[in-house]
Amino acid sequence: DTAVSQTPKYLVTQMGNDKSIKCEQNLGHDTMYWYKQDSKKFLKIMFSYNNKELIINETVPNRFSPKSPDKAHLNLHINSLELGDSAVYFCASRNLLDSYNSPLHFGNGTRLTVT
Amino acid sequence: GDSVTQMEGPVTLSEEAFLTINCTYTATGYPSLFWYVQYPGEGLQLLLKATKADDKGSNKGFEATYRKETTSFHLEKGSVQVSDSAVYFCALKGGYQKVTFGTGTKLQVIP
Repeated sequence: DTAVSQTPKYLVTQMGNDKSIKCEQNLGHDTMYWYKQDSKKFLKIMFSYNNKELIINETVPNRFSPKSPDKAHLNLHINSLELGDSAVYFCASRNLLDSYNSPLHFGNGTRLTVT
Repeated sequence: GDSVTQMEGPVTLSEEAFLTINCTYTATGYPSLFWYVQYPGEGLQLLLKATKADDKGSNKGFEATYRKETTSFHLEKGSVQVSDSAVYFCALKGGYQKVTFGTGTKLQVIP
């Protein structure tokens, strides 16, 4: 299946731990994103990469570090997890070369719970 | 900066009722506008889009018209079904590759 896939689907961890979320897309897209969705469903962009280059870096704590080993993968590493990091994290991708207005394709999300 | 304002939810309707979810935006230049839908436990999916003023996006019985004069992109459907129950997000793509979302409106359709 062609898709944006994220792992893990659920992640429960304690404060202070370091964790990673992985994202892969096999759609041939050149641009990938991380969004954070809070308990009220508000979606906030965090990062975006185009062909492995960081192009959007919103105001997020530097405990969050994205890494894009190639244009099909965008991982998110979080250091020293805090309670407020609990949320659903969505990976998304689009193809800038297709069209300036090409839509985002989302993964199914990773629900992170910090206890 | 860019922003999107949606009506507060939840919206509860009976099956076959008419749906309107309001969306207004603030942006510089000429943004593209989108509606996305999120079903429980899933990521967002594109529902429809419009890329310039007076364009109408439509899909699955849903419609929205890009109104530059009122900076609006209201979502409508003539007859909702139980299967339309989901959270609906209005979004705009303005500046360089950045897509800004509204806060989402939860729709619940009861039989």
